[in-house]
Amino acid sequence: QLQLRESGPRLVKPSETLSLTCDVSGGSISSTDYYWGWIRQPPRKGLEWIGSIYYNGNTYYNPSLRSRVTISPDTSKNQFSLKLTSVTAADTAVYYCARHCARAYCGGDFDYWGQGTLVTVSS
Amino acid sequence: EIVLTQSPATLSLSPGERATLSCRASQSVSIHVAWYQQKPGQAPRPVIFDGSYRATGIPARFSGSGSGTDFALSISSVEPEDFAVYYCQQRSSWPRTFGQGTKLEIK
Repeated sequence: QLQLRESGPRLVKPSETLSLTCDVSGGSISSTDYYWGWIRQPPRKGLEWIGSIYYNGNTYYNPSLRSRVTISPDTSKNQFSLKLTSVTAADTAVYYCARHCARAYCGGDFDYWGQGTLVTVSS
Repeated sequence: EIVLTQSPATLSLSPGERATLSCRASQSVSIHVAWYQQKPGQAPRPVIFDGSYRATGIPARFSGSGSGTDFALSISSVEPEDFAVYYCQQRSSWPRTFGQGTKLEIK
């Protein structure tokens, strides 16, 4: 059974960099069938896709965040990470990592999610 | 960027009633819309993918329909555990986008 788990600091100061890691077990981030992505949800608001990475290192970012986001893999640890620079209070959110479909047919799109981690931006 | 607009924002129903949630895309996404259910404090749960296919473990009372720009999620007879927020999402193009959500609440 595939499992994803987010980890990283829960409190980040304004103007600093938010860093999270998604640990994947029960499946490989080197699979050609899936992207591995980050989604966030500010308190009491909707879901926002941040970006995704593919097995070959290709990355895809939300244009609204592209200048501040980096997603990178660590295939040796079967993890992928998120870095978001120059954070403000508007970046306070629950951050989820998830797997999603990279083929014409996968049997689902964002089909496995981590439990999410609340990151607060505050001094 | 493809914008997904969900309606209504809130749907108030009694258990046993039929629910119909709408999702409209700003341009054609073929069949590539998924629906997710989210309860407070939980990660979203896949319900429907590619317009009309139920995700693993989803009861048959849930159905999805649509293609192009107009999609719907229906629950034939709402059960108490179905009250939640539902989001649609498209995978037709980058960036991936979600609708703003429809809250299905108990009347």
